[in-house]
Amino acid sequence: EAGVVQSPRYKIIEKKQPVAFWCNPISGHNTLYWYRQNLGQGPELLIRYENEEAVDDSQLPKDRFSAERLKGVDSTLKIQPAELGDSAVYLCASSLTSGRGNYEQYFGPGTRLTVT
Amino acid sequence: GQSLEQPSEVTAVEGAIVQINCTYQTSGFYGLSWYQQHDGGAPTFLSYNALDGLEETGRFSSFLSRSDSYGYLLLQELQMKDSASYFCAVRDEGRGSTLGRLYFGRGTQLTVWP
Repeated sequence: EAGVVQSPRYKIIEKKQPVAFWCNPISGHNTLYWYRQNLGQGPELLIRYENEEAVDDSQLPKDRFSAERLKGVDSTLKIQPAELGDSAVYLCASSLTSGRGNYEQYFGPGTRLTVT
Repeated sequence: GQSLEQPSEVTAVEGAIVQINCTYQTSGFYGLSWYQQHDGGAPTFLSYNALDGLEETGRFSSFLSRSDSYGYLLLQELQMKDSASYFCAVRDEGRGSTLGRLYFGRGTQLTVWP
């Protein structure tokens, strides 16, 4: 079974430039998450989707961040314009919706973003 | 809100046993998860405890005491490959859009020496 796929793995951009991350979750997982992880910290949720619906996006900085999950499968996360403080690893995860789904999440390898 | 406390670092030698503690404060509680993350890698689910007591999975065990808001991850017969960060996590059981949100601790960096 294929895991969560993310691209790109690494991205270096100058501040004020736009950047986009792509995620393909595990087949059959209706719940998709985007996290940001700073060095030495645990992942922090940015947005959670149940199918196509963003059910928890209160921690997404909506002035510069946007996300979409068309057709309830793949998802993209965009930052425009990027700031120096956005440098972090952006993780995508997926899980089943039912049962202990939220507790058992499957993470992709992440995108390491460096803003210069 | 939710808060989790775990030690920032733990060191041990190969073959030893190590315990990583986690205390939490939540507005509601349903269970505690543990994740492992190697440097540059993805967090990987290790275990989930919804009931008090010890859950064993091979060399790893996880314990939960809901009355003490406390849990731990026990790693036995340590191997070099166990060097990684370990995160405990709790789920938001409140009402509203944050229901189901997973909150992670800051992580414990385990270093296993030969």
